[in-house]
Amino acid sequence: DAKTTQPPSMDCAEGRAANLPCNHSTISGNEYVYWYRQIHSQGPQYIIHGLKNNETNEMASLIITEDRKSSTLILPHATLRDTAVYYCIVRAFYNNNDMRFGAGTRLTVKP
Amino acid sequence: DAGVIQSPRHEVTEMGQEVTLRCKPISGHNSLFWYRQTMMRGLELLIYFNNNVPIDDSGMPEDRFSAKMPNASFSTLKIQPSEPRDSAVYFCASSLGGGRTDTQYFGPGTRLTVL
Repeated sequence: DAKTTQPPSMDCAEGRAANLPCNHSTISGNEYVYWYRQIHSQGPQYIIHGLKNNETNEMASLIITEDRKSSTLILPHATLRDTAVYYCIVRAFYNNNDMRFGAGTRLTVKP
Repeated sequence: DAGVIQSPRHEVTEMGQEVTLRCKPISGHNSLFWYRQTMMRGLELLIYFNNNVPIDDSGMPEDRFSAKMPNASFSTLKIQPSEPRDSAVYFCASSLGGGRTDTQYFGPGTRLTVL
């Protein structure tokens, strides 16, 4: 069973920010939050991960609430190529094989 | 930098035949993972190697499935005999191994169809 809850689908207008929520209310102190995405027929692609501080890289920003029970992935300027299924995963330190992919959120970016 | 390489990209076979899927991890990565993705069950971990040694094979569905990693740059997943319910996309992933935040990088997958 995945340890996270995500909405099954979301739409976003091209050029606007896409904000993808994730609930992980049972997260432990030794677990990171990871985000991956899967564009149709391709392998999952790593996006970003974090522990408790907000993180930003060239792809996205990750905002984690202070109690760590939820997080939001932000794609600042969504393009049509960002249409994909986005997976939020929690994984413990050093537990390399505990990547549980749930159903994810299907994000559709519309022109 | 080449990513994870998988071959073949597509495989169509008949029930009862042996199928071998191949994976070349990213150079320098010490951990390798095999996943299976179906519409019904999503993405599932089948087996995990670290330094060429199988660490966790609890996800391997049954004895018809076997995986090997003879060296750091090559792994195989074999199904013998194959059945129609094995039809799925099989992904290989690799990571540096060790460390608190070990990120997995996935290959493009092999789409297997068993008729």
